[in-house]
Amino acid sequence: DADVTQTPRNRITKTGKRIMLECSQTKGHDRMYWYRQDPGLGLRLIYYSFDVKDINKGEISDGYSVSRQAQAKFSLSLESAIPNQTALYFCATSDRPVPGLAMGGDTQYFGPGTRLTVL
Amino acid sequence: AQSVTQLDSHVSVSEGTPVLLRCNYSSSYSPSLFWYVQHPNKGLQLLLKYTSAATLVKGINGFEAEFKKSETSFHLTKPSAHMSDAAEYFCVVTSYAGKSTFGDGTTLTVKP
Repeated sequence: DADVTQTPRNRITKTGKRIMLECSQTKGHDRMYWYRQDPGLGLRLIYYSFDVKDINKGEISDGYSVSRQAQAKFSLSLESAIPNQTALYFCATSDRPVPGLAMGGDTQYFGPGTRLTVL
Repeated sequence: AQSVTQLDSHVSVSEGTPVLLRCNYSSSYSPSLFWYVQHPNKGLQLLLKYTSAATLVKGINGFEAEFKKSETSFHLTKPSAHMSDAAEYFCVVTSYAGKSTFGDGTTLTVKP
């Protein structure tokens, strides 16, 4: 079974609709992330959460909200979808870096992605 | 602040020839550096990572990368390309605080 799962895998919706994308992980990691991928732009961070009570905005959070229901679950909502939110969305998890062992952050593990189309 | 620049948006090589994907980074501290690969319609998979140990890092599928602090580079190489290497590759810098910055990606094409 996959360690990081996302539902749905594909979604087509209309402008103005509320959409929720869900992410679950069995890796036991505290840290979870939501990214969107657009062609030629790499991945951009929408929101991230370092534990259930810690949620932070990323570089492109406008128009999105999140909920961390448990250590293993992190949901992304589009309150009122618009066409320029059409993209591939990825959830990721990571462990906390080990002090003294890693200078920077730890490896991220990605879900398979959700392809969202807003008409 | 941190940033990542992948110097080539597309690289094309023939099967059996060397691969070089270039990545420069900037950071105000000592970050971790990663290369991820994304095959068509798939998620991202870790190829290799540099944290704080040896500057030459070996990854999966014969890839390796060398961390050069003086040049702020972390280029990805492979001695001999295989058709299955065709994919998009991302260079990523991650701070100790856990925030990651992705490069825009390099699409590798492997010709038979």
